[in-house]
Amino acid sequence: IAGITQAPTSQILAAGRRMTLRCTQDMRHNAMYWYRQDLGLGLRLIHYSNTAGTTGKGEVPDGYSVSRANTDDFPLTLASAVPSQTSVYFCASSERGNNEQFFGPGTRLTVL
Amino acid sequence: SQQGEEDPQALSIQEGENATMNCSYKTSINNLQWYRQNSGRGLVHLILIRSNEREKHSGRLRVTLDTSKKSSSLLITASRAADTASYFCATGFAGGTSYGKLTFGQGTILTVHP
Repeated sequence: IAGITQAPTSQILAAGRRMTLRCTQDMRHNAMYWYRQDLGLGLRLIHYSNTAGTTGKGEVPDGYSVSRANTDDFPLTLASAVPSQTSVYFCASSERGNNEQFFGPGTRLTVL
Repeated sequence: SQQGEEDPQALSIQEGENATMNCSYKTSINNLQWYRQNSGRGLVHLILIRSNEREKHSGRLRVTLDTSKKSSSLLITASRAADTASYFCATGFAGGTSYGKLTFGQGTILTVHP
């Protein structure tokens, strides 16, 4: 692994289903982030974690949950997907807050 | 709500010309960053300028920051077709509950014609 990876690359999901988007980084960064990107709205922060064991809510956290059990992994879970969660999801990491962020390649999620 | 607002929303130029993109923000910041996104890809960090800096250079990139006007500009000199991408500014905040979080603008779509 080099940098930050996300899985799956894309997914089509029925409304009401549970889905976990995976994110892993090998840079030993303290901070990790989840964003969603929608046309015309730019990137919006969903949840973040400044260090392993802690998480916080971003701008649009409703319907999403995260966990940070270790430094490397930061999964994002949609407990019961709704069509408005159709988006491209990006995971990012940084050595610490306010530093440059490194982004994964994204997961394109479609909820029908 | 978005902290940063960018203009123009879209910019179309010829190869060799300079491209200037602007970003305005509303509240006090710790730093301002510029990112590039090629179609279908993740964002790539270009440059970070701190609130106590006024100008910064990196290769063909020049960033200015005017904290009194709460604005920044990104200049790409001698543009190339490979510079075609979306460019985003992102503001980082000093502390409190906003520490470490970036707020992104909606981006400028730059098209450089060969």
